[in-house]
Amino acid sequence: DTGVSQDPRHKITKRGQNVTFRCDPISEHNRLYWYRQTLGQGPEFLTYFQNEAQLEKSRLLSDRFSAERPKGSFSTLEIQRTEQGDSAMYLCASSGEGQGRTEAFFGQGTRLTVV
Amino acid sequence: AQSVTQPDIHITVSEGASLELRCNYSYGATPYLFWYVQSPGQGLQLLLKYFSGDTLVQGIKGFEAEFKRSQSSFNLRKPSVHWSDAAEYFCAVGSYSSASKIIFGSGTRLSIRP
Repeated sequence: DTGVSQDPRHKITKRGQNVTFRCDPISEHNRLYWYRQTLGQGPEFLTYFQNEAQLEKSRLLSDRFSAERPKGSFSTLEIQRTEQGDSAMYLCASSGEGQGRTEAFFGQGTRLTVV
Repeated sequence: AQSVTQPDIHITVSEGASLELRCNYSYGATPYLFWYVQSPGQGLQLLLKYFSGDTLVQGIKGFEAEFKRSQSSFNLRKPSVHWSDAAEYFCAVGSYSSASKIIFGSGTRLSIRP
């Protein structure tokens, strides 16, 4: 399977715990995005990598959130001291660069429930 | 600032009827435009995209969209909907720039009346 894969698909955690999600992009894609989607809303941009460089972070990404993409391959998104408001679907996407290759391909998402 | 507006939150059409979902964007540079579909509990699937050239683009599942620069619109159309088209539809905008991100509208939920 050469699509974007995310792990885990579902995560239930207690408030205050830390969680980490993983995203494996399509192998030849150099761009990687993290989005958050709450019920009834479109995906909200969180952060974006070009290779291993984190080029942009949304103001939605508080200090409790950190994302990494070591070696420009897979990426992790960590949420520290989770809050109930963090409950959402976290979507990862990847894309190439250049005309004809900039559409984002999405993974199935990680659904986080904070109880 | 970049933005995408989908003015219709929820649309219901009869099976076999035609469909048009509206999308307006605000973008400083030449936009790349996309329509994605999301079924419940699933990720997003690309329906079609516009980069340049012919302003009427064809996508999968019989969908098409027309880019109208003067109206900053990229409306999605289908001549005859099927019950399986019931889903959430998202319009999105990006650009060629390496420093760009793709941003999404809030979506339109499509219901199909039997």
